Amino acid sequence: KAGVTQTPRYLIKTRGQQVTLSCSPISGHRSVSWYQQTPGQGLQFLFEYFSETQRNKGNFPGRFSGRQFSNSRSEMNVSTLELGDSALYLCASSWPGQGAKDEQYFGPGTRLTVT
Amino acid sequence: QKEVEQNSGPLSVPEGAIASLNCTYSDRVSQSFFWYRQYSGKSPELIMSIYSNGDKEDGRFTAQLNKASQYVSLLIRDSQPSDSATYLCAVTLSGGSYIPTFGRGTSLIVHP
Repeated sequence: KAGVTQTPRYLIKTRGQQVTLSCSPISGHRSVSWYQQTPGQGLQFLFEYFSETQRNKGNFPGRFSGRQFSNSRSEMNVSTLELGDSALYLCASSWPGQGAKDEQYFGPGTRLTVT
Repeated sequence: QKEVEQNSGPLSVPEGAIASLNCTYSDRVSQSFFWYRQYSGKSPELIMSIYSNGDKEDGRFTAQLNKASQYVSLLIRDSQPSDSATYLCAVTLSGGSYIPTFGRGTSLIVHP
């Protein structure tokens, strides 16, 4: 079974621009979560989508948004980029069914650099 | 504030030794516990999950959970240089969202 895929793998943007990242979950997985990872803050939860609805949200500003499509693929968007948005953005998929026992599987990530 | 704490390390062990990685959490009603391995420049890879008190073994890895003391540990037997990575502990805290909270990770170095 193919793993989680993310595109693009690397991205360089300028302050003030916006960016869209894409994630395709493992086949059959219906939950997609997004994380930001930086050396200073570690792995921070952005939001989770399930059945095209945002089910959980982390503590990030409204510049960070996402959506999920009917095939469970998900996109996240960051508007008005800031230097501090430079990070590894990770997508994780899971098959909701066991509640707290849901195991998340990560994609390779998108390395975003804001200059 | 609900937290997951790990010693950042680095933890340095010789090849063939047992590496012991520890994680404590603040929420007494935490339900699920996961260990991820992350190589430098790569994404986290799930290696173990544990839900009940006691030990769970998978190959060279053993996860140990003690809910009364609020800690979970990962033992790596016969450590190899290829085990050198950052190990992230993740805990599903109470509140019903089932989104795990991650520790900052412990860097493990296995030297020949």
